[in-house]
Amino acid sequence: TQLLEQSPQFLSIQEGENLTVYCNSSSVFSSLQWYRQEPGEGPVLLVTVVTGGEVKKLKRLTFQFGDARKDSSLHITAAQPGDTGLYLCAGENRGSTLGRLYFGRGTQLTVWP
Amino acid sequence: NAGVMQNPRHLVRRRGQEARLRCSPMKGHSHVYWYRQLPEEGLKFMVYLQKENIIDESGMPKERFSAEFPKEGPSILRIQQVVRGDSAAYFCASSDRSNQPQHFGDGTRLSIL
Repeated sequence: TQLLEQSPQFLSIQEGENLTVYCNSSSVFSSLQWYRQEPGEGPVLLVTVVTGGEVKKLKRLTFQFGDARKDSSLHITAAQPGDTGLYLCAGENRGSTLGRLYFGRGTQLTVWP
Repeated sequence: NAGVMQNPRHLVRRRGQEARLRCSPMKGHSHVYWYRQLPEEGLKFMVYLQKENIIDESGMPKERFSAEFPKEGPSILRIQQVVRGDSAAYFCASSDRSNQPQHFGDGTRLSIL
């Protein structure tokens, strides 16, 4: 069962544009992580959000956790070619399956110079 | 390199052979998680181990697959009598506690001839 849906699946934009990617679920999560994965490498952790409504900023990246802890968004301001990669969201349900992360299929972002 | 180390990075096996994948967690981490990534699919949880204990193996096929994390040495994911459908990227992650973010290695790409 795919518990986390990410959209869009693919996103191709020009350098300098802003973008938002979404991670949605019908399930409530204890925490949600965003990762970025490059070809041939493992996912690299960007941020963890744990509180409903929480907003975290990492330079040009802004992450938000929905009030009900069922969804999240990642907004990138003034995208750069170096932002190109596969963005993955992953949720954890500590009450039922401690330790296991449920991953979305990812958003493949390409930023053209 | 203090990150999660996986080896080999690439492994080729013929149908019916055994595959052994190794994972050394980050220094100080005693929790290890294995995930499998198939083409066009997200990462799927397989097994969660703590030193000498299997905490959750509900994501691992009942037959041919086994995992261990001994007191000394790396965690091992073992696949016996491999079949073509086992071809995938296998990722290991580690954390210092069960409710802490997971950090991933760069994976082992398993190809079955």
